[in-house]
Amino acid sequence: AQTVTQSQPEMSVQEAETVTLSCTYDTSENNYYLFWYKQPPSRQMILVIRQEAYKQQNATENRFSVNFQKAAKSFSLKISDSQLGDTAMYFCAFMKPSGSTSYGKLTFGQGTILTVHP
Amino acid sequence: GAGVSQSPRYKVAKRGQDVALRCDPISGHVSLFWYQQALGQGPEFLTYFQNEAQLDKSGLPSDRFFAERPEGSVSTLKIQRTQQEDSAVYLCASGSLGGGAFFGQGTRLTVV
Repeated sequence: AQTVTQSQPEMSVQEAETVTLSCTYDTSENNYYLFWYKQPPSRQMILVIRQEAYKQQNATENRFSVNFQKAAKSFSLKISDSQLGDTAMYFCAFMKPSGSTSYGKLTFGQGTILTVHP
Repeated sequence: GAGVSQSPRYKVAKRGQDVALRCDPISGHVSLFWYQQALGQGPEFLTYFQNEAQLDKSGLPSDRFFAERPEGSVSTLKIQRTQQEDSAVYLCASGSLGGGAFFGQGTRLTVV
């Protein structure tokens, strides 16, 4: 079974600065997908960024980028130029590749609460 | 609507009462997932539909939990004889296999 671990229960950052959230995972699969989701107090889970394991290039979405280290099974999220609206709980998630019986099912980490201070 | 819609947003049930939670997925999305999220925790998988077929129900915690999606669109999660440990946020998601799931705002269930 896959496991996803987020070792930082809480993080804080000053507005306009950069913060990195950590995530490690365990799997025997070679191809899979990794995601970061943001969950503000409204409870809406919002997809921030996704990474396909067979792609070596790190994914980037505007101020959000990942550092994907496949051998180390590490998938950290970097938020640049932090904004007050980035305050939320962030979840790292794993998904098996197509063809597996549970394709589409997400396994989540425990989450990291990020607070951006003015 | 453009997103995943869940109703009700909040539900308070007396212990032993049956509840039904509704999910309207994004139009055209084949896959639909239900997750249970305890306070301060990450979501835990409950069940998965592809169209009307329930392909995986391994996460349902007991036989009191039942989900259906009879026409491959709207889904209902039913919990019979609710217990206090059922109190959680229930999230529905639809997707886009490989593209990530798109979540609704969830239903917060409180069993008293």
